[in-house]
Amino acid sequence: AQTVTQSQPEMSVQEAETVTLSCTYDTSENNYYLFWYKQPPSRQMILVIRQEAYKQQNATENRFSVNFQKAAKSFSLKISDSQLGDTAMYFCAFMKPSGNTPLVFGKGTRLSVIA
Amino acid sequence: EPEVTQTPSHQVTQMGQEVILRCVPISNHLYFYWYRQILGQKVEFLVSFYNNEISEKSEIFDDQFSVERPDGSNFTLKIRSTKLEDSAMYFCASSWSSGSGVYNEQFFGPGTRLTVL
Repeated sequence: AQTVTQSQPEMSVQEAETVTLSCTYDTSENNYYLFWYKQPPSRQMILVIRQEAYKQQNATENRFSVNFQKAAKSFSLKISDSQLGDTAMYFCAFMKPSGNTPLVFGKGTRLSVIA
Repeated sequence: EPEVTQTPSHQVTQMGQEVILRCVPISNHLYFYWYRQILGQKVEFLVSFYNNEISEKSEIFDDQFSVERPDGSNFTLKIRSTKLEDSAMYFCASSWSSGSGVYNEQFFGPGTRLTVL
């Protein structure tokens, strides 16, 4: 079974600064997908960024980028130029490559952006 | 932009009562999911549904749970006899269906907060 571990329950960052959220996972699969989801106080789950394991290039979406280290089974999220609206819970998630399989989530990291 | 909707946003019920949580997936999606998030904990998969039958379910999804697509638009989760520990946020999600190995994003609804007293 796959597991996802987020070792930082809470983090804070000053507005406009950069912060990195950590995630490790365990799987015997060679191909899979990894995700970061954002859950603001409204509790809506919002997809932030996605990484395919077969791609060596790290995914980027505007101010969000990942550092994907397949051998180390590590998948960290970097948020640049942090904004107050980035305050949220961030969940790392894993999905097998079968196309419509369940997401396996980590416990989340609560990020606070401070003005 | 199409979105997944869920009703009600908040449901309060007495222990032992039956509840039905409703979801309207995105109209051309064929895969449907229910996830649960107990307050302060991680999001956990309950069940997936495709072609009018359960595709996959977790250990959490025991006999007190059932899912149904009663018409062409709604997807429901029924809890037959609620327990205190069923208090959680319940998220519905849907995705398009294509070939195996092709990624299909799961779009989440806003959730239903269930409180069992």
